[in-house]
Amino acid sequence: SQTIHQWPATLVQPVGSPLSLECTVEGTSNPNLYWYRQAAGRGLQLLFYSVGIGQISSEVPQNLSASRPQDRQFILSSKKLLLSDSGFYLCAWSDGGYAYEQYFGPGTRLTVT
Amino acid sequence: AQTVTQSQPEMSVQEAETVTLSCTYDTSENNYYLFWYKQPPSRQMILVIRQEAYKQQNATENRFSVNFQKAAKSFSLKISDSQLGDTAMYFCALQGGTSYGKLTFGQGTILTVHP
Repeated sequence: SQTIHQWPATLVQPVGSPLSLECTVEGTSNPNLYWYRQAAGRGLQLLFYSVGIGQISSEVPQNLSASRPQDRQFILSSKKLLLSDSGFYLCAWSDGGYAYEQYFGPGTRLTVT
Repeated sequence: AQTVTQSQPEMSVQEAETVTLSCTYDTSENNYYLFWYKQPPSRQMILVIRQEAYKQQNATENRFSVNFQKAAKSFSLKISDSQLGDTAMYFCALQGGTSYGKLTFGQGTILTVHP
């Protein structure tokens, strides 16, 4: 069966510090991968998606970036965090199958202080 | 651009009763999919139900069913026999047929089931 992991689960970082969040998927190959951000009490906003290694599409201009160095690894990064980067970050994958149904990871709660 | 609107920030229901959550959407695509996701306090996103736009028949999954009105661009979720475990935030989401699976979410409805 397929599983998706995210780490860390919780992170507190000062403004201006770098960021690296990691997502890995097991049990499937060549998945579509997605990064979403959920601000407090609000819906999810798609940040990046990837349909293959090295292929990244950005949905929202910001100081975040994403990379996909391996087939089942998706990384969200920032060189300098802003207060507005605080939120709950969710990674998801789909196999491009029925309705591109997406499966979500457990998320990372990021607080920028 | 696609939009999804959930006009009910919060709802409450008594255990064993029925509740309906509303969702409207807008898209220019002819082929698309609609989803309801549940996010309990653990914050794990769980797929509740999905609907293909080309299907006229409303989707049903056990106690969960939808009322899909394509012309009105409305997609409501009905939960029957509500249980305490249904307490969660519910999100309506839209996926365009040519969008590589990208989801556009509504702002969510917090549902509380009271004993």
